[in-house]
Amino acid sequence: AQSVSQHNHHVILSEAASLELGCNYSYGGTVNLFWYVQYPGQHLQLLLKYFSGDPLVKGIKGFEAEFIKSKFSFNLRKPSVQWSDTAEYFCAVGSGNTGKLIFGQGTTLQVKP
Amino acid sequence: DTAVSQTPKYLVTQMGNDKSIKCEQNLGHDTMYWYKQDSKKFLKIMFSYNNKELIINETVPNRFSPKSPDKAHLNLHINSLELGDSAVYFCASSHRTSLETQYFGPGTRLLVL
Repeated sequence: AQSVSQHNHHVILSEAASLELGCNYSYGGTVNLFWYVQYPGQHLQLLLKYFSGDPLVKGIKGFEAEFIKSKFSFNLRKPSVQWSDTAEYFCAVGSGNTGKLIFGQGTTLQVKP
Repeated sequence: DTAVSQTPKYLVTQMGNDKSIKCEQNLGHDTMYWYKQDSKKFLKIMFSYNNKELIINETVPNRFSPKSPDKAHLNLHINSLELGDSAVYFCASSHRTSLETQYFGPGTRLLVL
């Protein structure tokens, strides 16, 4: 069965620090990879996604993620976080044509001003 | 011009009651989903409908019954509510394939007493 694992459950950073959130998945076939963000009191929204091509994808608000097929990983990065990046971050994997997404357990990011 | 809307936003009820949550999307998507987010923020898909046809039905108790009167609406009816049903329920929509971004509603926070 497919699964998604996010290693960091709660991350606390100071503003301007660099961020890397880990995401690993288990699935042998072709996958589509997503990072969603949930700001406090808001709904989930897409940060970035990978389907094919360049394994380094750029998303909104300066975020990027790198797909490393050999490691089954899709880690999220940002060179310099801001207080407004405080949120829940979810990695998700989709496959097939049903639209079914498997989500990781989420990472709470707290950025101190 | 909310893309995916849910009502109600909060729902507090007693065990054994029956309740419904409504979801509407105005994005012209043909696929809609229900997710459950538990107290540990873990998101798990429950159901998906494409053009009013059920295409994903995860291991969910029979007390949960989705109903899709048309492509723009997917309601969730829950019979005989239990304490363990307390969670945040998110509706989402997309075009069918997993290549497409899913757009999420604001969530309905259900508390069963």
